[in-house]
This record gives sequence, C-alpha cells and structure tokens, in this order.
Amino acid sequence: AQKITQTQPGMFVQEKEAVTLDCTYDTSDPSYGLFWYKQPSSGEMIFLIYQGSYDQQNATEGRYSLNFQKARKSANLVISASQLGDSAMYFCAMREPHASGGSYIPTFGRGTSLIVHP
Amino acid sequence: SAVISQKPSRDICQRGTSLTIQCQVDSQVTMMFWYRQQPGQSLTLIATANQGSEATYESGFVIDKFPISRPNLTFSTLTVSNMSPEDSSIYLCSVSGSPLNTEAFFGQGTRLTVV
Repeated sequence: AQKITQTQPGMFVQEKEAVTLDCTYDTSDPSYGLFWYKQPSSGEMIFLIYQGSYDQQNATEGRYSLNFQKARKSANLVISASQLGDSAMYFCAMREPHASGGSYIPTFGRGTSLIVHP
Repeated sequence: SAVISQKPSRDICQRGTSLTIQCQVDSQVTMMFWYRQQPGQSLTLIATANQGSEATYESGFVIDKFPISRPNLTFSTLTVSNMSPEDSSIYLCSVSGSPLNTEAFFGQGTRLTVV
C-alpha cells in the first residue's frame, strides 16, 4: 500500500486565488512528520512546511498552511493568494521510523502539478 | 540547515557506460540518501549511505548497478553503472537531521539522459 497518496495529478488556479493540494498518508506509528516540498522545472526540491503528528495546531508558513486532519490521515496544503511563481510540482512526504529501525527516512507521494493562470 | 552541492547537474551518456555523481555537504552528517526520480514520477529511495559502512539498498536496487561511496561525513558518490535508457532520471542526494521534525535538504539534482 502507498504510504503517501496524492490524488490530484494536476491542478489549475487563477492568480491571487487560493488552492488546496490533497495528501493522505498511511502509518501505524504514532510518531511521524509530514512535509510539503515544491519542485520547479529546474528540478531542485524546496521545503515549504512541516506538521508533526503530535502538533495540536495546523502549521502555517507565510502563504502556505497545512490542513492537518489526523483522524482522516490527511495533510492538505493550502496556498493562499497564488502567484505565477507557484507553478511547479508539489510533493507531500512523511518521515517515520524506517523498517531497519532508528532512522526517519522520508517517503514521497507522486506529486501534484500546479499551474497558476494569470 | 545544510547546503548540498551536487554535480554534474546534467549529463547525456551512451548506453553501457557509467556515470558517477558527487554530493558535497557543508556540514558533517551521519546519513546521506540517494533518490531516483524517473520522468513524471515521484522520488524513490535508492539507498542510505552511512560513513564507514556499506550502503543500505532499498528493494529493487543493487550495489552492482548503483555502487555508493561514503568516504567521510561530508561527501558521497553514486555511480550509475552499465547504463541503459531506462536509467534516464533525475538523481538527487539528500540529508536529513535526526529529529523527526527536521526537513530533508536536497542537492540540485543530476538530470541524466542515456542514449
């Protein structure tokens, strides 16, 4: 079973509007971390936001916020006031104890391609 | 935070040849990770590289095809051996802090095309 599921292969949004990118995850470990990364066409991976499994409040970083619903195992990324420069691939990732023990190795979803229209 | 310098940034290689990708980190880190990102796909972990020991490979990846070196705490190399067009991908090195709440840092990636 996939650990991280991103069901939206592509999303379109008008400039200055908000957009939500979906992410659901699967883990039996009570301690885990959820991350969102942006990958522009240049290929680099840019960290956006983090949510811990024990965090009571939803994470926010500037125009990015994470809608964390633990019971539903979802961690959707909300981008407010979209900008043209937001057009990129967005990956949801999770860190949990690795099968070999000890290390927290991130696993990634398949990504969502976001295109912002002027 | 960590700054990772990865090179080459891109290469076009003939099938049957090998390419070695280098990854330099500006601080000492225990573990380094190598990922493959096939066209239009997500990141797949190839192996975890620990200093002073053999790399730990994920299912579907073998040392003969992807030998890894980790001579010290700031440097690692990944070699893609006996390349075929199916190896055309972006290869990324990454480091993560031990605490669960630290993000992974990535190199700029190596965009490999095998012809």
